[in-house]
Amino acid sequence: DIQMTQSPSSLSASVGDRVTITCRASQSISSDLTWYQQRPGKAPELLIYLASRNRNGVPSRFSGSGSGTDFTLTISSLQPEDFATYYCQHTYSTPLTFGPGTKVDIK
Amino acid sequence: QITLKESGPTLVKPTQTLTLTCTFSRFSFTTTGVGVGWIRQPPGKAPEWLALIYWDDDKRYSPSLKSRLTITKDTSKNQVVLTMANVDPVDTATYYCARTFSRDFYFDYWGPGTLVTVSS
Repeated sequence: DIQMTQSPSSLSASVGDRVTITCRASQSISSDLTWYQQRPGKAPELLIYLASRNRNGVPSRFSGSGSGTDFTLTISSLQPEDFATYYCQHTYSTPLTFGPGTKVDIK
Repeated sequence: QITLKESGPTLVKPTQTLTLTCTFSRFSFTTTGVGVGWIRQPPGKAPEWLALIYWDDDKRYSPSLKSRLTITKDTSKNQVVLTMANVDPVDTATYYCARTFSRDFYFDYWGPGTLVTVSS
């Protein structure tokens, strides 16, 4: 199985900050990487698929990059509604696996 | 608007079989490429993928749970059923169903989830 790791596990930031979250796969997964946002008590929501493609309606302040084993989610200017937990998930093949998550909270 | 909703028991005793139903609208298994998956999330932990079923009845399972899981679909009812045998307290989690498409393996629409507690 492909294992996913994320760093940091949590971070504190202020509105307007630039935030970067890293996801790493245990083997090359090409660009088969998805990012989700999860707010407390809610289901995960798709943000980015195929490493860098924003889902329709996702603000442009969210961007993804990377290929192979190393990937990045960047929020260019953090907004109040962005305080949440972010998960990566590989989509290379089944079994599918998620990263452990990065919690973004208010500084 | 595409919606999915999970239903099933909120409390199950250890060793029993858990049956969850996902009922969805505004898409159909009659469309080539459609798939529905189940993902669970224990309290305070990351999501864990469980199973997937596609329009052509292709079924995929998590290897670690494969012996305990069965996924089926009812195209006429727009439903997917997941059964999990021999549950244990470690199976306590929020269970989500979600849509995927064309074997891209990412989930674009999710249900709100249902919390299942396994306890005697």
